Amino acid sequence: QTVVTQEPSFSVSPGGTVTLTCGLSSDSVSTSYYPSWYQQAPGQAPRTLIYSTNTRSSGVPDRFSGSILGNKAALTITGAQADDDSDYYCVLYMNSGLPVFGGGTKLTVL
Amino acid sequence: EVQLVESGGGLVQPGGSLRLSCAASGFTFSSYAMSWVRQAPGKGLEWVSTISGSGGSTYYADSVKGRFTISRDNSKNTLFLQMNSLRAEDTAVYYCAKGIAAAGRRGITFDIWGQGTMVTVSS
Repeated sequence: QTVVTQEPSFSVSPGGTVTLTCGLSSDSVSTSYYPSWYQQAPGQAPRTLIYSTNTRSSGVPDRFSGSILGNKAALTITGAQADDDSDYYCVLYMNSGLPVFGGGTKLTVL
Repeated sequence: EVQLVESGGGLVQPGGSLRLSCAASGFTFSSYAMSWVRQAPGKGLEWVSTISGSGGSTYYADSVKGRFTISRDNSKNTLFLQMNSLRAEDTAVYYCAKGIAAAGRRGITFDIWGQGTMVTVSS
C-alpha cells in the first residue's frame, strides 16, 4: 500500500520561511502525481491552497507556493504569519487517478 | 458566493444507516464533480468518494466500497452520501468538496469545502 509521507510537525518564526514536503514511500514524486495542498486551521474546515503542483487556488496569497524539490512535492510559505498556524495536508493522485492524503504537518508559528 | 452546506449527520448504531446531504449554491452545480472527504476525531483527512458532474461516474475509497453510495440531484443542486452498514471507524466529520472540473483528475481536485457534518457510530 502506497503511503504519502509528511513531516509530523514543523515550526517557523513570524516573518520566516518554511518548506513542508510530501513524499511517497515507494517512488519519487513528480508533477504527474498532481500534488495539491490544503490548510486546516484549528476547528475549521480545510481550505485549498495549491493544486497541480504550483497553481494557487483563488484568493490564496502568493507567499504560498508549490514546487517539486528533489523527489518530493513541496509547499513553501514565505513571511509566515500568526494565522498560518495550522495543519497542512498534501494529496497525491495515484496511477488509479484516485487521491491519497498525507498524514498532515502541524505547523507552529512562534 | 460559492457555498456548500452539509446536513444529515448524527448518532447511529453500528450496522445502521445514514444519508448525508450537501446543498450547493453560487455555481453551476452540474458542471463540477463533487466529493466527500472525512476526518476522524483527532486524525487526518481521508478521501471517501467522488461523483462526476453528470453523475455518470463514481469512485470510492476501498474502506467504504460496497457500503457507501454517492449520488447527486443536479435539478436540486444537492449531493448525497448514503452510508450503510456503518462501523465505529466511520465516526468522523464528513466534508463535501467541489471539484475544479466536471470529471477526471481535475474533478477530484478539491476546490471549495463545506463546514462539515459529524457522524458518530456508537451503541
